[in-house]
Amino acid sequence: TQLLEQSPQFLSIQEGENLTVYCNSSSVFSSLQWYRQEPGEGPVLLVTVVTGGEVKKLKRLTFQFGDARKDSSLHITAAQPGDTGLYLCAGPTRNTGGFKTIFGAGTRLFVKA
Amino acid sequence: GAVVSQHPSWVICKSGTSVKIECRSLDFQATTMFWYRQFPKQSLMLMATSNEGSKATYEQGVEKDKFLINHASLTLSTLTVTSAHPEDSSFYICSAGTGGGNYGYTFGSGTRLTVV
Repeated sequence: TQLLEQSPQFLSIQEGENLTVYCNSSSVFSSLQWYRQEPGEGPVLLVTVVTGGEVKKLKRLTFQFGDARKDSSLHITAAQPGDTGLYLCAGPTRNTGGFKTIFGAGTRLFVKA
Repeated sequence: GAVVSQHPSWVICKSGTSVKIECRSLDFQATTMFWYRQFPKQSLMLMATSNEGSKATYEQGVEKDKFLINHASLTLSTLTVTSAHPEDSSFYICSAGTGGGNYGYTFGSGTRLTVV
């Protein structure tokens, strides 16, 4: 069974600080996705990484896919209160007749003004 | 971009009654949709894969007779919680996509179910 382990589970930081969230697995994934979820809403896709070693940037967010495609990281520079939310990594696994997505446990980020 | 609409956004029902939740893909066709359940401060747990025109595929431990899934068209999947009990109270979310597992999915805004 493929599993995704996220760390840390909870992070409370001051505005302006940098942070990194990690997503690790013992299995190889064809891709990994990062989502952000706010209370009472569904997750919103931030990025998909597909190629081992790939780095993608989305404004102050930098996403990296490990060379062996078993892990990924999300780095936020100069965090702002608007970055507060639940960050989830996810990846596709085989399902009957297709694929399904499994999620990590999530990292709950709180950025204090 | 792909839009997934989920309805209702919240519902309160009495114990023993059934509740239907709808998930619609608004601007694309989805042969496959997914239903998740999320408890407070926890991640998403996949309940089942909804397949258009065929039976849903349920994850281990999910009661298919309690959580009925119907995917009658390429743009609509429904989840019916039958004979609901307070322990079924949760946040239910659906998702769908056009690019397959490697490109991520679009999620609905979720349905908060409270059974009293």
